[in-house]
Amino acid sequence: DGGITQSPKYLFRKEGQNVTLSCEQNLNHDAMYWYRQDPGQGLRLIYYSQIVNDFQKGDIAEGYSVSREKKESFPLTVTSAQKNPTAFYLCASSIAGGSYEQYFGPGTRLTVT
Amino acid sequence: EDQVTQSPEALRLQEGESSSLNCSYTVSGLRGLFWYRQDPGKGPEFLFTLYSAGEEKEKERLKATLTKKESFLHITAPKPEDSATYLCAVQPTTSGTYKYIFGTGTRLKVLA
Repeated sequence: DGGITQSPKYLFRKEGQNVTLSCEQNLNHDAMYWYRQDPGQGLRLIYYSQIVNDFQKGDIAEGYSVSREKKESFPLTVTSAQKNPTAFYLCASSIAGGSYEQYFGPGTRLTVT
Repeated sequence: EDQVTQSPEALRLQEGESSSLNCSYTVSGLRGLFWYRQDPGKGPEFLFTLYSAGEEKEKERLKATLTKKESFLHITAPKPEDSATYLCAVQPTTSGTYKYIFGTGTRLKVLA
């Protein structure tokens, strides 16, 4: 079955530690995205990539970094510079370059104390 | 500024009680409007894409419609399993195709 996987489902870290969230898709999509979801707010775009080896900052990229070395994979690193990292993180993918629906992974809930 | 507003924030229905969810949008031009269903603690699940005013899409008890200013998600004779948060997103023409603007969602609870 085609889809997007994210791991782990839950992640706990201490302040000051970097942490990497995994996202893999087998939908053969060129475009991939990372969103952050907080209660009472719409999904906010952190980073996106429309092709391998290229990615761009979204609306709230500060304190985050990504890589796109393979079409299937788009890992997100939450660095110690992110001031409020506790949130639900969603990875998505879509066909690139047009008006296409996004397909989302199951999410990773990150708690930093 | 491009904006998406969903109403109501929360809605409680009795099983079988039909209703509509609203998604109002303000964009200079619309590439597409998308509806998703999100269960607690899970990622959004794609439901519909609408591209132009007058367009309608149906799936089981759900029907999505689009005008130039808003979209409605009509739920006919809902069942408890329809309980979820429904998200609306728009893709404006004034930004690159990566840009999707999400509303905050409507939390629907259907009581048996």
